[in-house]
Parts: sequence; structure tokens; C-alpha cells
Amino acid sequence: AQTVTQSQPEMSVQEAETVTLSCTYDTSESNYYLFWYKQPPSRQMILVIRQEAYKQQNATENRFSVNFQKAAKSFSLKISDSQLGDTAMYFCAFRGQGAQKLVFGQGTRLTINP
Amino acid sequence: EPEVTQTPSHQVTQMGQEVILRCVPISNHLYFYWYRQILGQKVEFLVSFYNNEISEKSEIFDDQFSVERPDGSNFTLKIRSTKLEDSAMYFCASLPTVSTDTQYFGPGTRLTVL
Repeated sequence: AQTVTQSQPEMSVQEAETVTLSCTYDTSESNYYLFWYKQPPSRQMILVIRQEAYKQQNATENRFSVNFQKAAKSFSLKISDSQLGDTAMYFCAFRGQGAQKLVFGQGTRLTINP
Repeated sequence: EPEVTQTPSHQVTQMGQEVILRCVPISNHLYFYWYRQILGQKVEFLVSFYNNEISEKSEIFDDQFSVERPDGSNFTLKIRSTKLEDSAMYFCASLPTVSTDTQYFGPGTRLTVL
């Protein structure tokens, strides 16, 4: 069974700083998808960024980028020029091939301070 | 942009009562999911549904739970006899096809069992 681990329960940075959230996972599958979802206080889960395991190039979406290390089974999220609106719970998630369920990590509560 | 919608946003019920949580997935999506998140914990998979059948379910999804797609638009989760430990946020998600990767989440229904 796949597992996803986020080892940082909480993080706090100043506005405009760069912050990196860690995620590791375990799987025996060779192809899969990895995601970072953001859950603001309003509680709706919003996709931040996704990565396909067979793609070696790290995904980027504006200020958000990932560092995907397949051999190490590591998938960290970097947020550059952090903004107050980035304050949220961030979940790392894994999905195998096919229409399989998402397996979530425990989440990292990120606070951006003014 | 199409969205997954869920009703009600908050449901309060007495222990032992039946509740039905409703979701309207994005119209051309084929795969549907329910997840739940107990307060302060990670998001957990409950069940996936495709072609009017359950395709996968977790250990949490016992005989007290059922899902159906009664009219081609709604996707419902029924809990027959609620327990205190069913109190959680319930998220519906949908996926267009098996070859796409991103599940789209609804805003959630907060279920409180008294």
C-alpha cells in the first residue's frame, strides 16, 4: 500500500520569503502522479501543482515549483515570494495509475506572516 | 469554470439518524469519489464509483455507508445510522476520465453528529 509522509506539521515564514514543504512517499509502482493541494480556512481543496512520475522535469506553476526526486521518493513544494493568501494547510497526495484513489499525507499548516 | 458542488454545507444530526450528503460532480466526469477529514486529521479515502458501481472502497466504508448516482447528475453518500465518530468534513471529488490525473474537489459538507 502506498503511504505519504509530511514531516513538518507546521511552518511559518515572513511574507515575500521562500518556503519549502517536504513530502516523501512509498510505492512499488513505476508510474504514478503526485499532487500538492492547498486547503485554506474556507476548507475547499484546491490543486496547487501536479507531477507525473515519468516526467523528469520538475513541474512549475508561477510561484510554485516542485523538487521531484524519484529515486529518493521525495516530492517537495517550493513557494517563492510567499503571500498572505498562501496561508493554508498543504497536503501532498499520491495517485497510482488508473482512476485510483488519492492517498494524502498528514498535511503541513503554513502561515505567512506580514 | 465548472465546479463540483455539495449540499448541505453543514449538517447537524442526532446519533443513530440517517443522513444523505449530496454532490453534483462536473457534468462530463465519469469517476466519482468520497473522502472524509476528521477535524485536525488527514483526508481519507472512502469510496470510488464508476459506471454505477463501486470500484474501490476503504475499510472505513462499512455497511453503514452507501453511495448512488440516482439521476445521472447527483452523487450521494448515505450514512444509515450515524455515530459520533462520523463527525467530519466529507468531500466529493470527480475525475473526467481514467487517462486524466487531477481530481476536482467540492467544498465539502461538515457533518456534526450529536
